[in-house]
Amino acid sequence: EAGVVQSPRYKIIEKKQPVAFWCNPISGHNTLYWYRQNLGQGPELLIRYENEEAVDDSQLPKDRFSAERLKGVDSTLKIQPAELGDSAVYLCASSPQGGANTEAFFGQGTRLTVV
Amino acid sequence: KNQVEQSPQSLIILEGKNCTLQCNYTVSPFSNLRWYKQDTGRGPVSLTIMTFSENTKSNGRYTATLDADTKQSSLHITASQLSDSASYICVVSAANFGNEKLTFGTGTRLTIIP
Repeated sequence: EAGVVQSPRYKIIEKKQPVAFWCNPISGHNTLYWYRQNLGQGPELLIRYENEEAVDDSQLPKDRFSAERLKGVDSTLKIQPAELGDSAVYLCASSPQGGANTEAFFGQGTRLTVV
Repeated sequence: KNQVEQSPQSLIILEGKNCTLQCNYTVSPFSNLRWYKQDTGRGPVSLTIMTFSENTKSNGRYTATLDADTKQSSLHITASQLSDSASYICVVSAANFGNEKLTFGTGTRLTIIP
């Protein structure tokens, strides 16, 4: 069974440019998460989807970040315009459902460097 | 504010030795506690999930303990191998009416040397 697939693995962009990340969750998983992980830190939730609905986007910087999950399957996370402080690893995770005690499976992440 | 603190921040041990990683948390209402292993350049991989009623859970050479009264957990690694070199992240879940929020620790960076 394929795991959570993210692309690209690495991205280097200049500040003020736009960037997009793509995530394909495990087939059948209704819940999808986007996390940001700074170097030496644990992941921080940006947004959580239940199917195509964003149920928790309280930590998403909405002035420059946006996300979508059309048809409740794969998802894209966009930053426009990117800032130097956005350099981090962006992780996507999915789980069969969003209830408690449900294991989340992570992708390998996209490492973003803003120069 | 929900918090998860891990210690030590980093640890270096010889191959074959045992080690124990610590996690203290202040998360409410507590739902479960998870330990993840994160290899460099990879996403976290779940090792164990423990609910309030579970005191210990094993996954091969990994054994996690949970003391819900003192809000402490530990991850014990037995007979360490070079492949155990990774960051180990403690994650505590708070759940209200089925909505779950995960609080991540900053991890313990474990290095196994031959």
